[in-house]
Amino acid sequence: GQNIDQPTEMTATEGAIVQINCTYQTSGFNGLFWYQQHAGEAPTFLSYNVLDGLEEKGRFSSFLSRSKGYSYLLLKELQMKDSASYLCAVLDSNYQLIWGAGTKLIIKP
Amino acid sequence: ETGVTQTPRHLVMGMTNKKSLKCEQHLGHNAMYWYKQSAKKPLELMFVYNFKEQTENNSVPSRFSPECPNSSHLFLHLHTLQPEDSALYLCASSQEITGELFFGEGSRLTVL
Repeated sequence: GQNIDQPTEMTATEGAIVQINCTYQTSGFNGLFWYQQHAGEAPTFLSYNVLDGLEEKGRFSSFLSRSKGYSYLLLKELQMKDSASYLCAVLDSNYQLIWGAGTKLIIKP
Repeated sequence: ETGVTQTPRHLVMGMTNKKSLKCEQHLGHNAMYWYKQSAKKPLELMFVYNFKEQTENNSVPSRFSPECPNSSHLFLHLHTLQPEDSALYLCASSQEITGELFFGEGSRLTVL
């Protein structure tokens, strides 16, 4: 079966750095997405990786290793507004999006 | 106008009621989706429409009936639902089937 694993919940301190991991086992791979979802709001697109390596976008970076079936989302200089759920999703060989259950990130002052 | 708009935001219904969820996208996208989001579970894809044609029905019970009259509007008709159908129903759109999804804020459904 297809599976996406990510931690259920993480806690970090304002101003610090946090890394949210995502591992996947899917039938084929056509890219990996990260979405952010604040409580009671719509998920919003953060990043898309299809090649190995690090993609940086301001305070957020996303890394992919296709050989290891692994990605992480790195958040720097954490702010209180970064408290949200972070969803990892993989596009499989049939171009179906396979979703993880999301990681709830709690930022403490 | 926000990109993807869903109404109603909240809905409480009994098991014998019939109601509909509405989704409208103002982005000119060609694909629209219904997802079910339950607490601590992955998003579950329910239906996909591409250029108004249904291309995906993920073994969804017939008590959920989608309708896509044009590429900007998507409905989810609900009848004789069960309490386990209580969840957040998210509508999304994308330019292409493989592209970035733009989500609405969801319709929170409670079935009594």
